[in-house]
Amino acid sequence: AQTVTQSQPEMSVQEAETVTLSCTYDTSESDYYLFWYKQPPSRQMILVIRQEAYKQQNATENRFSVNFQKAAKSFSLKISDSQLGDAAMYFCAYRSASNNNDMRFGAGTRLTVKP
Amino acid sequence: GAGVSQSPRYKVTKRGQDVALRCDPISGHVSLYWYRQALGQGPEFLTYFNYEAQQDKSGLPNDRFSAERPEGSISTLTIQRTEQRDSAMYRCASSAMRTAGAQGETQYFGPGTRLLVL
Repeated sequence: AQTVTQSQPEMSVQEAETVTLSCTYDTSESDYYLFWYKQPPSRQMILVIRQEAYKQQNATENRFSVNFQKAAKSFSLKISDSQLGDAAMYFCAYRSASNNNDMRFGAGTRLTVKP
Repeated sequence: GAGVSQSPRYKVTKRGQDVALRCDPISGHVSLYWYRQALGQGPEFLTYFNYEAQQDKSGLPNDRFSAERPEGSISTLTIQRTEQRDSAMYRCASSAMRTAGAQGETQYFGPGTRLLVL
């Protein structure tokens, strides 16, 4: 079974600084997708960034980028130039490419941004 | 609509009552998912549909939980004889069938229904 682990329950960053959120996963599959979702206090789940396992290039979306290490099964999220609006729960998620329902989430990391 | 909607947003019920939670997915999305999310935790998969067909219900906690999507659009999650342990946020998500390109592979979540069983 696939599992997703986020080892940092809480993280804090100064506004305009950079922070990295960790995520590791366990799978025996070679083809899958990885996601980072943001959940603000409103509890909407907003997709931040996605990565296809077959792509070696790390995904980037504006201030958000990932460090995808397939061999190490690691998928960290880097937020550059942190803004107050980045404060939220961040969930790492894994989804099998062959099984549309097999989406697993980590327990989440609560990010605080200090002005 | 532009996003996934769910109703009601809040539901308070007494133990033993039945509740029905509704999800209206993004227009054109053929896959629909139900999750349960405890406070401070990630979503837990319950069940999902492709069109009107329920593909997997392995995540449903027990036979008091059921879901349907009779016309391949709106879905209803029903909990019979509710118990206090059923109290949680119930979230729905939808996605397009697998297509070329990234967008079809993303699940879009609704705002959730917060259920409180007294």
